[in-house]
Amino acid sequence: DAKTTQPPSMDCAEGRAANLPCNHSTISGNEYVYWYRQIHSQGPQYIIHGLKNNETNEMASLIITEDRKSSTLILPHATLRDTAVYYCIVRPYYGGATNKLIFGTGTLLAVQP
Amino acid sequence: GAVVSQHPSWVICKSGTSVKIECRSLDFQATTMFWYRQFPKQSLMLMATSNEGSKATYEQGVEKDKFLINHASLTLSTLTVTSAHPEDSSFYICSARSKGQGMTAYEQYFGPGTRLTVT
Repeated sequence: DAKTTQPPSMDCAEGRAANLPCNHSTISGNEYVYWYRQIHSQGPQYIIHGLKNNETNEMASLIITEDRKSSTLILPHATLRDTAVYYCIVRPYYGGATNKLIFGTGTLLAVQP
Repeated sequence: GAVVSQHPSWVICKSGTSVKIECRSLDFQATTMFWYRQFPKQSLMLMATSNEGSKATYEQGVEKDKFLINHASLTLSTLTVTSAHPEDSSFYICSARSKGQGMTAYEQYFGPGTRLTVT
């Protein structure tokens, strides 16, 4: 079973920041938070990951609470092309037989013009 | 970098026939590859994990004799759906995890998916 909880859907106005929340209250100390997104009929695309510090890359920012029980993915200026299902996943960083990406139901982000 | 390709992107086959789907990591070595299945309006479901040169490990409820997985090299894995039935119609997605070198160490990258329709 997925270890994360996300709202099923969210709307965001084009050009505005999209803030997608994720609860992972049972996260273990060696588990990272990963975010992927899936645009309709395509394979998932990696966005960002982090352990406990906030992270930023060219696509998004990841804010992880101090207790690590929740996080927020921020798309600073959403565009129509950001409409997708966003998945928050926790897993250990290093390779291994049990380190699989297990997808939950994700959040469908609809960016409105 | 870190590109995973799948072939074909879509395929239609008749019930009872077999179909093979290829997954390649184009610019990195993948010791581990994963196969997922996704039905309409549902999330991705992990089917199996394969390590190069080893037998695949199937998730509970996935028939290993029906979904044959071969991972013969560090850049290629194949999924063969044998004796396909209409209920096998789905979106099949492969994923490759890098070998553990450099910036892409242990990261998992996904292919574009293969749409299988069994008539």
